Amino acid sequence: DAGVIQSPRHEVTEMGQEVTLRCKPISGHDYLFWYRQTMMRGLELLIYFNNNVPIDDSGMPEDRFSAKMPNASFSTLKIQPSEPRDSAVYFCASRSGTGDNSPLHFGNGTRLTVT
Amino acid sequence: SQQGEEDPQALSIQEGENATMNCSYKTSINNLQWYRQNSGRGLVHLILIRSNEREKHSGRLRVTLDTSKKSSSLLITASRAADTASYFCATSGNTPLVFGKGTRLSVIA
Repeated sequence: DAGVIQSPRHEVTEMGQEVTLRCKPISGHDYLFWYRQTMMRGLELLIYFNNNVPIDDSGMPEDRFSAKMPNASFSTLKIQPSEPRDSAVYFCASRSGTGDNSPLHFGNGTRLTVT
Repeated sequence: SQQGEEDPQALSIQEGENATMNCSYKTSINNLQWYRQNSGRGLVHLILIRSNEREKHSGRLRVTLDTSKKSSSLLITASRAADTASYFCATSGNTPLVFGKGTRLSVIA
């Protein structure tokens, strides 16, 4: 199993540009989560999907952020326009099963720097 | 908030010593999980303890849970340099996993 795959690993962009982060969850997992990690705020849940349907997006900071999951094997997190305060490491995670006793499997993250 | 808070924020020990990290949370939970994060990598699941369990072991890891005090501890015995990482607790109730800010553990060889 290849694990959760995120791309790109690093992204440097200028303020105002559009940024798209990509995630391929583990095959068979029906939950997908997007987290953001910063030193100040730790790990924050942005949004999660169940069977490709967004369940809770209350953690998405602003309308500049949007996430999609067009199929079971792919999700994107888009920031438009990007701002320097969006600089962080963005993680995608997936898990299987109903209930919440299944562990999360994380990708290695995308380090985003907005200048 | 269910968010767990780890204590201490940072811990430095010699190889071979035991490392203890604590986690406190505020609301009722279904389970509590511990994760490890190596520098530049994603989090890796270590162990899960359910709300009706008080202690669990996995290799050199020992986790305790006290629901009356809303706290948990993670003990790593006979630490190794490879244990150097950040450790996070995560609580689960009616919402998905919510993570604390972690304990940074440094094991000095």
